[in-house]
Amino acid sequence: EAGVTQFPSHSVIEKGQTVTLRCDPISGHDNLYWYRRVMGKEIKFLLHFVKESKQDESGMPNNRFLAERTGGTYSTLKVQPAELEDSGVYFCASSRTPKRLAGGDYNEQFFGPGTRLTVL
Amino acid sequence: AQRVTQPEKLLSVFKGAPVELKCNYSYSGSPELFWYVQYSRQRLQLLLRHISRESIKGFTADLNKGETSFHLKKPFAQEEDSAMYYCALRFEKNYGGATNKLIFGTGTLLAVQP
Repeated sequence: EAGVTQFPSHSVIEKGQTVTLRCDPISGHDNLYWYRRVMGKEIKFLLHFVKESKQDESGMPNNRFLAERTGGTYSTLKVQPAELEDSGVYFCASSRTPKRLAGGDYNEQFFGPGTRLTVL
Repeated sequence: AQRVTQPEKLLSVFKGAPVELKCNYSYSGSPELFWYVQYSRQRLQLLLRHISRESIKGFTADLNKGETSFHLKKPFAQEEDSAMYYCALRFEKNYGGATNKLIFGTGTLLAVQP
């Protein structure tokens, strides 16, 4: 089974430019998550898709970030315009539909390799 | 507010020595905690979760609700254990369904010296 894939692996852009990151989840996984790790800080949740719908986008830092998941398959995360503080590693993860916490099984999130974004 | 704290950025031990990676959390609900590991040039992967009470690669972690801790332990460290370890808390939101949203700590780099 192919794992979660992300493209590109690295991106170096100048402040003010636009960058689009892509994530292909594991086939059959309805749930897709974006996380970000800024240097020296924790891995932070950005948003969660269930199929094509945004279930939770509470972690999106501001309106320069736009995530989409057309057709409920792959997802894109666009940063426009990029700022210096956007530099970091962007992780995507996918999972099957989670079950209720009480008495249910946790459905593991499988992470992609990440995209390292550097904004100069 | 929900938070996961890993106080050590780096933990260096010698092969065969015991290891304890510290993790403390704050959460108002019933916590579900995990340890994730990222080996060099590999992706982040689940190591273990408290609900399953399992031992993976010799690692164990016990949830202590009184101390709000979930420390990761191994009695005898191996060189291949060298990696970045993240403690994570599952956040459940009350919108009619479960969620897998994870809150991570800042991670601890474990370096096992030969």
